[in-house]
Amino acid sequence: GNSVTQMEGPVTLSEEAFLTINCTYTATGYPSLFWYVQYPGEGLQLLLKATKADDKGSNKGFEATYRKETTSFHLEKGSVQVSDSAVYFCALSDSNYQLIWGAGTKLIIKP
Amino acid sequence: EPEVTQTPSHQVTQMGQEVILRCVPISNHLYFYWYRQILGQKVEFLVSFYNNEISEKSEIFDDQFSVERPDGSNFTLKIRSTKLEDSAMYFCASSELPSGANNEQFFGPGTRLTVL
Repeated sequence: GNSVTQMEGPVTLSEEAFLTINCTYTATGYPSLFWYVQYPGEGLQLLLKATKADDKGSNKGFEATYRKETTSFHLEKGSVQVSDSAVYFCALSDSNYQLIWGAGTKLIIKP
Repeated sequence: EPEVTQTPSHQVTQMGQEVILRCVPISNHLYFYWYRQILGQKVEFLVSFYNNEISEKSEIFDDQFSVERPDGSNFTLKIRSTKLEDSAMYFCASSELPSGANNEQFFGPGTRLTVL
């Protein structure tokens, strides 16, 4: 079946550091890929998405590229801020109606 | 900006009691979903709903669960006889088109259900 695997957290970085959170997937067909963010005490917000191979999603300085050959959708940001501290979820959507989620990666940014 | 709302934000109940979690999806959306997130674990799909019927459901969504769109705006999740393991954050989501068509699912802030 379809699945999403994320790197385990927490990931702790200093402000202005470079961020990578790894995400790989297993899917039949051609899924769409998403990154959602959950700030402390809040719900799930879509951060970015990509709908086909080689697409790059970007938002708020975050980027992720849909790599079909490596079945990956790694999240990157060049310079993180304390306000980026949150839990980040990678997810995929296939031909069915549901989103399939990774376990989430907690990101902690220290000043 | 339109948003999905959920009530209550926190529900505490005794084991064996029925609970109803309420959601108001975005008004022009046609597809509705429930997910849950047990503390510290991944988000899990429960059910999707379209045109007044269930489109898909997961193994978690057994006979104790039901969904309903009782009027033009609300979308509810009912748990008939709650168990301790039902304690989780429950998220409602809606989308204009099916997620398989690359349409974004918009999430509500969640209802934290605590079963004692």
